[in-house]
Amino acid sequence: DAKTTQPPSMDCAEGRAANLPCNHSTISGNEYVYWYRQIHSQGPQYIIHGLKNNETNEMASLIITEDRKSSTLILPHATLRDTAVYYCIVSGADNTDKLIFGTGTRLQVFP
Amino acid sequence: GAGVSQSPRYKVAKRGQDVALRCDPISGHVSLFWYQQALGQGPEFLTYFQNEAQLDKSGLPSDRFFAERPEGSVSTLKIQRTQQEDSAVYLCASSPSRSQYFGPGTRLLVL
Repeated sequence: DAKTTQPPSMDCAEGRAANLPCNHSTISGNEYVYWYRQIHSQGPQYIIHGLKNNETNEMASLIITEDRKSSTLILPHATLRDTAVYYCIVSGADNTDKLIFGTGTRLQVFP
Repeated sequence: GAGVSQSPRYKVAKRGQDVALRCDPISGHVSLFWYQQALGQGPEFLTYFQNEAQLDKSGLPSDRFFAERPEGSVSTLKIQRTQQEDSAVYLCASSPSRSQYFGPGTRLLVL
């Protein structure tokens, strides 16, 4: 079973920030938080990951609470092309670790 | 550069037919994963290779499913005697380190 809980759907106006929450209360000390997204009819796409510090890249920012039991993915200026299912996944740190997907959050960006 | 490619993109099989799905990972990626995604669900792990060694096949649903990666590069997922419940998108991902890079998937429909 997935170790994360996400809302099933969210809406966001184009140009506004999209804040996607994720709960992972059973995360262990050596596990990372990963975010992937899946645009319709495509394979999942890696967005960002973090351990305990906040992270930012060209796609998004990841804010992890101090107790690491929850996190928020922030898309600072959502566009129509950001409409997708967003998956929050807790996993180990190296390339041998399989990803356990839940059902994700379906983000709809509207004009 | 070239990403992960999969072929065929679509496959229609009659129940009982054998199928073979191919994955070409990103060159140099040691790790390769196969996932199965049913309609409306998140991807589910099937099996994992490190180079040519299949280190985890715990997600394969039955002994009709078989995967190989004989030279540590291209991988093939074979399904024998296909059943209707095998209808799904089969995703391949390769990984150099922490993030996984997914192919577009093969959509299998078993009639």
